[in-house]
Amino acid sequence: AQSVTQPDIHITVSEGASLELRCNYSYGATPYLFWYVQSPGQGLQLLLKYFSGDTLVQGIKGFEAEFKRSQSSFNLRKPSVHWSDAAEYFCAVGGEYSGGGADGLTFGKGTHLIIQP
Amino acid sequence: EPEVTQTPSHQVTQMGQEVILRCVPISNHLYFYWYRQILGQKVEFLVSFYNNEISEKSEIFDDQFSVERPDGSNFTLKIRSTKLEDSAMYFCASSGRSFGAEQFFGPGTRLTVL
Repeated sequence: AQSVTQPDIHITVSEGASLELRCNYSYGATPYLFWYVQSPGQGLQLLLKYFSGDTLVQGIKGFEAEFKRSQSSFNLRKPSVHWSDAAEYFCAVGGEYSGGGADGLTFGKGTHLIIQP
Repeated sequence: EPEVTQTPSHQVTQMGQEVILRCVPISNHLYFYWYRQILGQKVEFLVSFYNNEISEKSEIFDDQFSVERPDGSNFTLKIRSTKLEDSAMYFCASSGRSFGAEQFFGPGTRLTVL
């Protein structure tokens, strides 16, 4: 069964500093990987996704992520964070394709990002 | 911009009662999902639905749960006899394709079972 590990429960970063959120996955075949962001009281918004091809993926709001098969990782990065980036970030994996059906995602536990002024 | 909507935003019920959570997916999407998030925990997949039938379901989705697309726009999750441990945020999602596609999430319904 697929699984996702986000080792950092909380991360505190100063505004303007760089950010890296870690994500490791376990999956037997080529995974489909996603990063979602959840602001308080809101639903989940997709930041970026990886299916195949270029292992460096660009997303919205200046985020990027790099797929490293050898490390089973899909870390999220941003060169300079803004106060509005404070939120909960979830890494997710899909790919247990059942053959024509709808593919449920497996989420990590999330990383709570705090931005210091 | 099209979005997934959910009603109600908050539902309070007594243990043992039936609840129905409602979702309106994005209109041209064909794949529908329910997830739940117990407070402080991760988002967990419950069930996916395609072509008027369940496509996948997790271990959480037992006989107490059912899903339905009663008309061309709504997608519902029914919990037959609620338990205290059903208290959670329930998210509906939809996608235009199957595996690997972006799933668009609604704002969620917070279910409180007393």
